[in-house]
Amino acid sequence: DAGVIQSPRHEVTEMGQEVTLRCKPISGHNSLFWYRQTMMRGLELLIYFNNNVPIDDSGMPEDRFSAKMPNASFSTLKIQPSEPRDSAVYFCASSARDTHNEQFFGPGTRLTVL
Amino acid sequence: GNSVTQMEGPVTLSEEAFLTINCTYTATGYPSLFWYVQYPGEGLQLLLKATKADDKGSNKGFEATYRKETTSFHLEKGSVQVSDSAVYFCALRGNQGGKLIFGQGTELSVKP
Repeated sequence: DAGVIQSPRHEVTEMGQEVTLRCKPISGHNSLFWYRQTMMRGLELLIYFNNNVPIDDSGMPEDRFSAKMPNASFSTLKIQPSEPRDSAVYFCASSARDTHNEQFFGPGTRLTVL
Repeated sequence: GNSVTQMEGPVTLSEEAFLTINCTYTATGYPSLFWYVQYPGEGLQLLLKATKADDKGSNKGFEATYRKETTSFHLEKGSVQVSDSAVYFCALRGNQGGKLIFGQGTELSVKP
């Protein structure tokens, strides 16, 4: 299996621009998670989906952030407008069956907002 | 709420030294506990897990025992290798499943 696929791996953008991060979960997995990793806050969950439905978005920082999962094989995390404090590594993870199984992480997208 | 606290790094050891990385947690109910490892430039990988009290998770020479009485899940390895250099994260998942709550991570550097 190819594992969780994220794109792009690196993104450099200017403040105010829209940023879209993409994730393809492992085939057959029905739960998908978006995490953010920073030096200051460590690893934190932004949102997760079960069967394409958002279950917990309490970690989404503010209205500038939005996430969608239009089908079982694709999810996006969008930041509009981006700000320098959004600079971080964003990880996508997926797991099988319900949310009690192991989460497999993608390689991450390193976002830099200038 | 649920939380995880792990010892601060970086931890620097010589090859073949004994490793302990402390992890304690606060949670209601009976969480599942995990150790994840992150190698440079990569995503997190599950290293080991334990789902109930007194369970011992083990993998690649690493071990951790779920101690409910001390709310701890310390990671140990008897003889570290240079290839073990990475950042190690302790995490918990509440008994209702869903999100993982991570500790702040501990960077391990093993010197030859």
